[in-house]
Amino acid sequence: AQRVTQPEKLLSVFKGAPVELKCNYSYSGSPELFWYVQYSRQRLQLLLRHISRESIKGFTADLNKGETSFHLKKPFAQEEDSAMYYCALARNFGNEKLTFGTGTRLTIIP
Amino acid sequence: GAVVSQHPSWVICKSGTSVKIECRSLDFQATTMFWYRQFPKQSLMLMATSNEGSKATYEQGVEKDKFLINHASLTLSTLTVTSAHPEDSSFYICSAKAGSYEQYFGPGTRLTVT
Repeated sequence: AQRVTQPEKLLSVFKGAPVELKCNYSYSGSPELFWYVQYSRQRLQLLLRHISRESIKGFTADLNKGETSFHLKKPFAQEEDSAMYYCALARNFGNEKLTFGTGTRLTIIP
Repeated sequence: GAVVSQHPSWVICKSGTSVKIECRSLDFQATTMFWYRQFPKQSLMLMATSNEGSKATYEQGVEKDKFLINHASLTLSTLTVTSAHPEDSSFYICSAKAGSYEQYFGPGTRLTVT
Protein backbone atom coordinates (compact mmCIF):
# COMPACT_ATOMS: atom_id res chain seq x y z
CA ALA A 1 0.00 0.00 0.00
CA GLN A 2 1.12 3.53 -0.66
CA ARG A 3 2.23 5.84 2.12
CA VAL A 4 3.12 9.52 2.40
CA THR A 5 5.37 10.80 5.18
CA GLN A 6 5.82 14.38 6.23
CA PRO A 7 8.41 14.23 9.01
CA GLU A 8 7.88 17.77 10.31
CA LYS A 9 4.60 18.56 12.04
CA LEU A 10 5.67 22.13 12.74
CA LEU A 11 8.13 24.36 10.91
CA SER A 12 8.96 27.96 11.70
CA VAL A 13 10.93 30.10 9.29
CA PHE A 14 11.88 33.77 9.30
CA LYS A 15 10.44 35.99 6.62
CA GLY A 16 12.78 36.14 3.67
CA ALA A 17 14.50 32.88 4.55
CA PRO A 18 14.27 29.77 2.36
CA VAL A 19 11.58 27.22 3.06
CA GLU A 20 11.67 23.48 2.52
CA LEU A 21 8.82 21.20 3.50
CA LYS A 22 9.76 17.56 3.30
CA CYS A 23 7.67 14.80 1.79
CA ASN A 24 8.65 11.20 1.25
CA TYR A 25 6.51 8.50 -0.21
CA SER A 26 6.48 4.76 -0.56
CA TYR A 27 4.88 3.20 -3.58
CA SER A 28 6.27 0.75 -6.06
CA GLY A 29 4.62 2.21 -9.15
CA SER A 30 4.80 5.61 -10.83
CA PRO A 31 2.73 7.90 -8.65
CA GLU A 32 1.41 11.36 -9.17
CA LEU A 33 2.43 13.73 -6.35
CA PHE A 34 0.67 16.84 -5.12
CA TRP A 35 0.99 19.57 -2.56
CA TYR A 36 -2.18 20.95 -1.01
CA VAL A 37 -2.39 24.02 1.22
CA GLN A 38 -4.93 25.05 3.82
CA TYR A 39 -4.81 28.67 4.99
CA SER A 40 -6.37 29.65 8.28
CA ARG A 41 -10.16 29.14 8.24
CA GLN A 42 -10.11 28.17 4.59
CA ARG A 43 -10.64 24.93 2.77
CA LEU A 44 -7.98 22.67 1.34
CA GLN A 45 -6.77 23.74 -2.09
CA LEU A 46 -4.31 22.44 -4.61
CA LEU A 47 -0.96 24.23 -4.58
CA LEU A 48 0.89 22.29 -7.24
CA ARG A 49 1.39 18.87 -8.77
CA HIS A 50 4.57 17.42 -10.11
CA ILE A 51 3.30 16.63 -13.57
CA SER A 52 2.60 20.27 -14.37
CA ARG A 53 6.11 21.37 -13.41
CA GLU A 54 4.90 24.86 -12.61
CA SER A 55 5.70 27.30 -9.84
CA ILE A 56 2.78 28.55 -7.78
CA LYS A 57 3.18 31.47 -5.39
CA GLY A 58 6.93 31.01 -5.68
CA PHE A 59 6.79 27.37 -4.56
CA THR A 60 8.35 24.53 -6.53
CA ALA A 61 8.62 20.82 -5.93
CA ASP A 62 10.68 18.26 -7.78
CA LEU A 63 9.85 14.60 -7.82
CA ASN A 64 12.95 12.57 -6.97
CA LYS A 65 12.16 8.98 -7.77
CA GLY A 66 15.51 7.74 -6.51
CA GLU A 67 14.92 9.20 -3.08
CA THR A 68 11.12 8.86 -3.32
CA SER A 69 10.77 12.45 -2.26
CA PHE A 70 8.72 15.45 -3.32
CA HIS A 71 9.96 18.28 -1.15
CA LEU A 72 8.29 21.69 -1.41
CA LYS A 73 10.61 24.68 -1.65
CA LYS A 74 10.47 28.44 -1.77
CA PRO A 75 13.58 30.63 -1.83
CA PHE A 76 12.17 33.54 0.16
CA ALA A 77 9.36 32.99 2.66
CA GLN A 78 6.53 35.49 2.96
CA GLU A 79 4.18 36.00 5.88
CA GLU A 80 1.20 34.93 3.80
CA ASP A 81 2.81 31.52 3.35
CA SER A 82 1.85 30.59 6.91
CA ALA A 83 -0.53 27.65 6.52
CA MET A 84 -0.96 23.91 6.79
CA TYR A 85 0.66 22.01 3.93
CA TYR A 86 -0.25 18.46 2.92
CA CYS A 87 1.64 16.25 0.53
CA ALA A 88 -0.54 13.75 -1.35
CA LEU A 89 -0.09 10.85 -3.73
CA ALA A 90 -2.22 9.28 -6.42
CA ARG A 91 -1.13 5.84 -7.53
CA ASN A 92 -0.86 6.84 -11.17
CA PHE A 93 -1.79 9.62 -13.54
CA GLY A 94 -5.52 9.94 -13.75
CA ASN A 95 -6.12 7.93 -10.60
CA GLU A 96 -8.58 9.75 -8.48
CA LYS A 97 -7.79 8.45 -5.02
CA LEU A 98 -5.44 10.52 -2.94
CA THR A 99 -3.34 9.39 0.00
CA PHE A 100 -2.39 12.30 2.22
CA GLY A 101 0.52 12.87 4.54
CA THR A 102 -0.10 14.11 8.06
CA GLY A 103 0.70 17.69 7.16
CA THR A 104 3.20 20.34 8.19
CA ARG A 105 2.16 23.58 9.81
CA LEU A 106 4.38 26.32 8.47
CA THR A 107 4.71 29.53 10.44
CA ILE A 108 6.54 32.48 8.97
CA ILE A 109 8.10 34.70 11.62
CA PRO A 110 7.97 38.40 10.72
CA GLY B 1 -12.91 28.80 -9.50
CA ALA B 2 -14.98 25.74 -8.73
CA VAL B 3 -16.79 25.84 -5.39
CA VAL B 4 -17.90 22.96 -3.22
CA SER B 5 -20.15 23.52 -0.24
CA GLN B 6 -21.05 21.32 2.69
CA HIS B 7 -24.03 21.46 4.99
CA PRO B 8 -24.13 21.60 7.90
CA SER B 9 -20.76 22.98 8.89
CA TRP B 10 -21.22 21.70 12.41
CA VAL B 11 -23.64 19.20 13.90
CA ILE B 12 -24.19 17.62 17.29
CA CYS B 13 -26.29 14.50 17.58
CA LYS B 14 -27.13 11.99 20.25
CA SER B 15 -25.69 8.52 20.26
CA GLY B 16 -27.86 6.12 18.28
CA THR B 17 -29.31 8.70 15.94
CA SER B 18 -28.44 9.24 12.28
CA VAL B 19 -27.10 12.41 10.70
CA LYS B 20 -26.91 13.43 7.07
CA ILE B 21 -24.19 15.63 5.59
CA GLU B 22 -24.62 17.22 2.17
CA CYS B 23 -21.92 18.02 -0.35
CA ARG B 24 -22.76 20.24 -3.31
CA SER B 25 -20.81 21.44 -6.30
CA LEU B 26 -22.13 24.95 -6.79
CA ASP B 27 -20.86 25.96 -10.21
CA PHE B 28 -19.95 22.74 -11.94
CA GLN B 29 -21.24 19.23 -12.45
CA ALA B 30 -19.31 16.72 -10.41
CA THR B 31 -19.02 13.32 -11.98
CA THR B 32 -17.09 12.05 -8.97
CA MET B 33 -17.22 13.00 -5.32
CA PHE B 34 -15.04 11.84 -2.50
CA TRP B 35 -15.62 11.64 1.23
CA TYR B 36 -12.75 11.99 3.69
CA ARG B 37 -12.51 11.79 7.43
CA GLN B 38 -10.02 13.72 9.51
CA PHE B 39 -9.28 13.14 13.17
CA PRO B 40 -7.68 15.94 15.20
CA LYS B 41 -4.09 16.57 14.21
CA GLN B 42 -4.21 13.71 11.74
CA SER B 43 -4.35 13.47 8.00
CA LEU B 44 -7.34 13.13 5.71
CA MET B 45 -8.35 9.53 5.20
CA LEU B 46 -10.37 8.65 2.12
CA MET B 47 -13.57 6.89 3.09
CA ALA B 48 -15.31 6.38 -0.23
CA THR B 49 -15.60 7.46 -3.83
CA SER B 50 -18.97 8.07 -5.39
CA ASN B 51 -19.90 8.46 -9.03
CA GLU B 52 -23.18 9.98 -10.04
CA GLY B 53 -25.87 7.37 -10.48
CA SER B 54 -23.87 4.43 -9.21
CA LYS B 55 -22.98 2.84 -5.91
CA ALA B 56 -20.15 4.27 -3.87
CA THR B 57 -16.82 2.48 -3.64
CA TYR B 58 -15.67 2.23 -0.06
CA GLU B 59 -12.12 2.03 1.17
CA GLN B 60 -10.98 -0.96 3.15
CA GLY B 61 -12.13 -0.81 6.73
CA VAL B 62 -14.99 1.62 6.12
CA GLU B 63 -18.39 0.17 7.03
CA LYS B 64 -20.79 0.54 4.13
CA ASP B 65 -23.87 0.11 6.27
CA LYS B 66 -22.75 2.73 8.72
CA PHE B 67 -21.66 5.40 6.27
CA LEU B 68 -24.31 5.55 3.57
CA ILE B 69 -23.36 7.56 0.52
CA ASN B 70 -25.77 8.71 -2.15
CA HIS B 71 -24.69 10.58 -5.26
CA ALA B 72 -28.10 11.16 -6.77
CA SER B 73 -27.25 14.06 -9.04
CA LEU B 74 -24.27 15.71 -10.65
CA THR B 75 -24.25 18.41 -8.01
CA LEU B 76 -25.14 16.60 -4.80
CA SER B 77 -23.72 13.78 -2.73
CA THR B 78 -24.83 12.91 0.77
CA LEU B 79 -23.14 11.03 3.58
CA THR B 80 -25.40 9.59 6.26
CA VAL B 81 -23.82 8.39 9.46
CA THR B 82 -26.26 5.81 10.78
CA SER B 83 -26.63 4.92 14.44
CA ALA B 84 -23.86 7.34 15.33
CA HIS B 85 -21.62 6.71 18.30
CA PRO B 86 -19.07 8.96 20.03
CA GLU B 87 -16.23 7.31 18.11
CA ASP B 88 -17.79 8.62 14.90
CA SER B 89 -17.11 12.15 16.04
CA SER B 90 -14.77 13.62 13.48
CA PHE B 91 -14.32 16.17 10.73
CA TYR B 92 -15.84 15.01 7.46
CA ILE B 93 -14.67 16.59 4.22
CA CYS B 94 -15.95 16.07 0.73
CA SER B 95 -14.33 16.87 -2.59
CA ALA B 96 -15.61 16.89 -6.14
CA LYS B 97 -14.19 16.72 -9.60
CA ALA B 98 -15.68 17.24 -13.04
CA GLY B 99 -13.69 15.07 -15.34
CA SER B 100 -10.57 17.21 -14.92
CA TYR B 101 -7.84 15.97 -12.71
CA GLU B 102 -8.17 18.45 -9.84
CA GLN B 103 -10.35 17.79 -6.84
CA TYR B 104 -12.08 20.75 -5.23
CA PHE B 105 -12.63 20.45 -1.52
CA GLY B 106 -15.52 21.49 0.65
CA PRO B 107 -15.03 23.34 3.93
CA GLY B 108 -15.79 20.28 6.03
CA THR B 109 -18.42 19.28 8.59
CA ARG B 110 -17.61 18.76 12.22
CA LEU B 111 -19.68 15.97 13.73
CA THR B 112 -19.93 15.57 17.49
CA VAL B 113 -21.82 12.59 18.86
CA THR B 114 -22.81 12.85 22.50
